[in-house]
Amino acid sequence: GDSVTQMEGPVTLSEEAFLTINCTYTATGYPSLFWYVQYPGEGLQLLLKATKADDKGSNKGFEATYRKETTSFHLEKGSVQVSDSAVYFCARLSNSGYALNFGKGTSLLVTP
Amino acid sequence: DAGVTQSPTHLIKTRGQQVTLRCSPKSGHDTVSWYQQALGQGPQFIFQYYEEEERQRGNFPDRFSGHQFPNYSSELNVNALLLGDSALYLCASRPTSGQGGYGYTFGSGTRLTVV
Repeated sequence: GDSVTQMEGPVTLSEEAFLTINCTYTATGYPSLFWYVQYPGEGLQLLLKATKADDKGSNKGFEATYRKETTSFHLEKGSVQVSDSAVYFCARLSNSGYALNFGKGTSLLVTP
Repeated sequence: DAGVTQSPTHLIKTRGQQVTLRCSPKSGHDTVSWYQQALGQGPQFIFQYYEEEERQRGNFPDRFSGHQFPNYSSELNVNALLLGDSALYLCASRPTSGQGGYGYTFGSGTRLTVV
């Protein structure tokens, strides 16, 4: 099926540390890929996206590159801030193009 | 520009009851999807509405039904509530054009608690 696997959390980092959250997807076709962020008590916000192989999505210092050869879309940030503490979800568009298939989410806590 | 608006924000219902949740999509968006997010899990796709019809459905029983109105707003109805239906229900919208390239815009959700 159309599935996404992301690393389990929680991930705890000190401010200004480097962040990587791993995400892999099932390789049926070439789906659009997304990272969403959810702050406590809120809905999901689109963080970045990529629609084809080798595309790099970027926003607010976060980056992710669509890697077809490894079916991965890892999220990275060079220097995290306390305000980045949230739950991060990797998602792929289903082959039908209608549904988003989400990973289970990775909780990130950044300490001062 | 208002984003996706959902109501109510919180709701408590008793097992066996019925509930209706409401969603107004972002301006310019005509496609609405509903997701269920259990505590500590990723959202699960319930169904999507376009042109007032259910276009695709996820793995949810018939107790879950929906509707889309001519102004693109949508309702999610759940009958015969079970304790396991307790979750955050998220509405998401997008424009039809550029289907693959657009991310969905999500609302803040309705927190449903079944007791």
